[in-house]
Order: sequence, then C-alpha cells, then structure tokens
Amino acid sequence: AQTVTQSQPEMSVQEAETVTLSCTYDTSENNYYLFWYKQPPSRQMILVIRQEAYKQQNATENRFSVNFQKAAKSFSLKISDSQLGDTAMYFCAFMKHAGAGGTSYGKLTFGQGTILTVHP
Amino acid sequence: DAGVIQSPRHEVTEMGQEVTLRCKPISGHDYLFWYRQTMMRGLELLIYFNNNVPIDDSGMPEDRFSAKMPNASFSTLKIQPSEPRDSAVYFCASSNSPGQGREKLFFGSGTQLSVL
Repeated sequence: AQTVTQSQPEMSVQEAETVTLSCTYDTSENNYYLFWYKQPPSRQMILVIRQEAYKQQNATENRFSVNFQKAAKSFSLKISDSQLGDTAMYFCAFMKHAGAGGTSYGKLTFGQGTILTVHP
Repeated sequence: DAGVIQSPRHEVTEMGQEVTLRCKPISGHDYLFWYRQTMMRGLELLIYFNNNVPIDDSGMPEDRFSAKMPNASFSTLKIQPSEPRDSAVYFCASSNSPGQGREKLFFGSGTQLSVL
C-alpha cells in the first residue's frame, strides 16, 4: 500500500514571495505518477501539476514547479510570485502506473493537505 | 469544455431518506471516478468505471451505497437509506484512458451532503 505524507498542516507567505510545500511518499512501485491538487474555498479540486516517476526532469507549469527526488521519495511544490488567488488547501497525491488493462488506474492516494494562505 | 458537472451542489436530507448524486463527465473521457472527502478520512476512492462498466467498487463503504453509469455522459451515486455518518463532500472525476501523458483526473465541484 502507498502512503503520502504532508508534514506542514499550514503555511503562509507574503504576496509576490516564494513558498515551498513538502510531500513525501512511500511505495514499492517503480512506475507511478505524482500530482499536486489545489482546493480553494470554492471546494473544487484543481490539478496544479503532474510528474511521471520515470522522468528525471522536474515538471513546471508557469509559476508552479516541483522538486522530485525519486530516491528520497520526496515531491515538493514551489510556488513563485505568490498571488492572493493561490490561497487554498494543497494536496499531494500518488497514483500507480495503470498496469495491464488499466486495472489500477485512477486510484489516487492523497496526503492530508496543507493550508496555504497568501497575505497581501 | 464545461468540465465535470455535478449536481446538486448541496444536499440536506434526513436520516433514512434516499439520496442521489449526479455526475456528467468531460465529453470523450472513458473513465469516471467517485471520491468522498471527510475530515477524518480525507479523500478516498469509492468506485470507478471504464467505458460505463464498474471496475472496482472495493471502496464503497456498505450495501447502502450503489453507483451506476447508464451511458458515457451520466453517472449516479445513490445512498439508501442515508445515515448521519454519510455526511461528506462527494466528488466525481473523469479521465482519458491512460497513456501518452493523459494520466490526469479532472474533478467536479463536489456535492456537499448533510444527513441530519
């Protein structure tokens, strides 16, 4: 079974500054995917960024980037130039490779979440 | 695309009543998932479908819960009879088939269910 741990229940940052959210995971799998989802007060789960475990290059999406350390099983999210709209709960999530027939596809294991507050 | 659409957004019902949650996945997606979010257990997968066929329902908590997908554009999650411990946010998500970088789940806005 996989586990995902987010050790920071809450974080805060000033607008325009940079913040890093931590995530570690435990798995015996070699092929998998990692995600960061954002859940603002509106409640919707929004995909922020995705990383494939077999790719060494860290994923980036505009102001969002990850530091993926496969050996250390670490997957942190860096938000640059923080904006007030970034205020939300952030979830780290793990998904096994789909496998033959996609039998294990879509089973996301989520961390406990980190509440990020961006202050003006 | 309008994204994954769920209804109702909020549902308040009394214990013992039947509750039906609805979901319209993103057009062209052939996987559909039902997740539940609670403070105690976080987000957990209840059931998922591939091409309208249930593949894994091991996360469904009890026989009181059932899910159907009669066609590619509609799914329901039903609770009968409902209990206060079923109070949670229920999310529907959809995805393309895995492969070629398409392994991403897109979530709806969720249904906040309160059972009194």
